[in-house]
Amino acid sequence: QQQVKQSPQSLIVQKGGISIINCAYENTAFDYFPWYQQFPGKGPALLIAIRPDVSEKKEGRFTISFNKSAKQFSLHIMDSQPGDSATYFCALGDNQGGKLIFGQGTELSVKP
Amino acid sequence: EPEVTQTPSHQVTQMGQEVILRCVPISNHLYFYWYRQILGQKVEFLVSFYNNEISEKSEIFDDQFSVERPDGSNFTLKIRSTKLEDSAMYFCASWRQRSNTEAFFGQGTRLTVV
Repeated sequence: QQQVKQSPQSLIVQKGGISIINCAYENTAFDYFPWYQQFPGKGPALLIAIRPDVSEKKEGRFTISFNKSAKQFSLHIMDSQPGDSATYFCALGDNQGGKLIFGQGTELSVKP
Repeated sequence: EPEVTQTPSHQVTQMGQEVILRCVPISNHLYFYWYRQILGQKVEFLVSFYNNEISEKSEIFDDQFSVERPDGSNFTLKIRSTKLEDSAMYFCASWRQRSNTEAFFGQGTRLTVV
């Protein structure tokens, strides 16, 4: 049973373009929605996160948009750079046990 | 910058052997986790640990798995009798508190069962 569905599976973007990755979830018990970035051979690292009381959060070139009624959230990477090439995971979290449920991942490739 | 440290970085073991994966969480963190990632797949939750006991575990975390925090700093994952399908990256993570916004992940241990 997939609790979170992430799309697309892979994404190729030109340098300077906008990368958009989407996640949809079912269970409304979650109240923490992070995005993690993972480079090959490394552990996931928190990129940006949002809680359901806001609809958007921006940190530098990275923005999360959150639609509570649609149970969807997305990551936007503005002015994408080759150094952004990595795998991105959305996740669902809660304050009960702290565990994270990850999406399937999106492999982003930014072409120079 | 604080970090979660995992050893070894790569472990090769024969099927049926026991392995212990080690983690040193960030010192003032209270919640500890193990996740695994089979090559090319998503990161999957295995177990959470708080106050010296398991607080939650997934279906993957069966009787072959165990965790402990033997000395107040190390956090270990033991697999008693490894199977080929246990081959994966294993990540340790720690949180300072439940309402904290960030779980810190270690660099992972690549376990290869042959």
